[in-house]
Amino acid sequence: AQSVTQLDSQVPVFEEAPVELRCNYSSSVSVYLFWYVQYPNQGLQLLLKYLSGSTLVKGINGFEAEFNKSQTSFHLRKPSVHISDTAEYFCAVSNNAGNMLTFGGGTRLMVKP
Amino acid sequence: DTGVSQDPRHKITKRGQNVTFRCDPISEHNRLYWYRQTLGQGPEFLTYFQNEAQLEKSRLLSDRFSAERPKGSFSTLEIQRTEQGDSAMYLCASSFVAGVQETQYFGPGTRLLVL
Repeated sequence: AQSVTQLDSQVPVFEEAPVELRCNYSSSVSVYLFWYVQYPNQGLQLLLKYLSGSTLVKGINGFEAEFNKSQTSFHLRKPSVHISDTAEYFCAVSNNAGNMLTFGGGTRLMVKP
Repeated sequence: DTGVSQDPRHKITKRGQNVTFRCDPISEHNRLYWYRQTLGQGPEFLTYFQNEAQLEKSRLLSDRFSAERPKGSFSTLEIQRTEQGDSAMYLCASSFVAGVQETQYFGPGTRLLVL
């Protein structure tokens, strides 16, 4: 069984400030890790993914995440946020054989002017 | 490529009625997934298909729920005798599996409200 914990349900931040959204996972096997973003009343858009290789992964819209196996974490970061980054962010994990994603509860990023 | 599409985008129904949702995956994607997302929560897996075969179903998928993918392309999700607890966003995702790595691409979802 696997699970994902997103430690912060809401993260308020001022525009142009840096942000980190935290994600921890548990799994008994190797995992693949994903971050998705969901804008109001829309589906999920893939931000970035870790499948193998370099532990620092760069995604769209200036986001990046670092896979830390010893801490079972996959935190999402952006050095300078924009108002348009206001959305719900979901961390997800799938097991070694792919198929179903297990999602965290989400973190609402609120960027203030 | 137009991405994953879902129809309808919104559905309001009365308790006890049956509803059916459709998902059209990205062309040539061989896997198709259904998830349910309730307000303030992350999506939860319901079921998935590899081509036309339904390979896994979650315990969340009660016997009132049925999904099909008859020709390995589009899929339908039917809910019979809807209950207020079925109110949620129903998300469809598709992927092309090569080896063990895959990335799921999501549609815009169908928001269901059961009155």
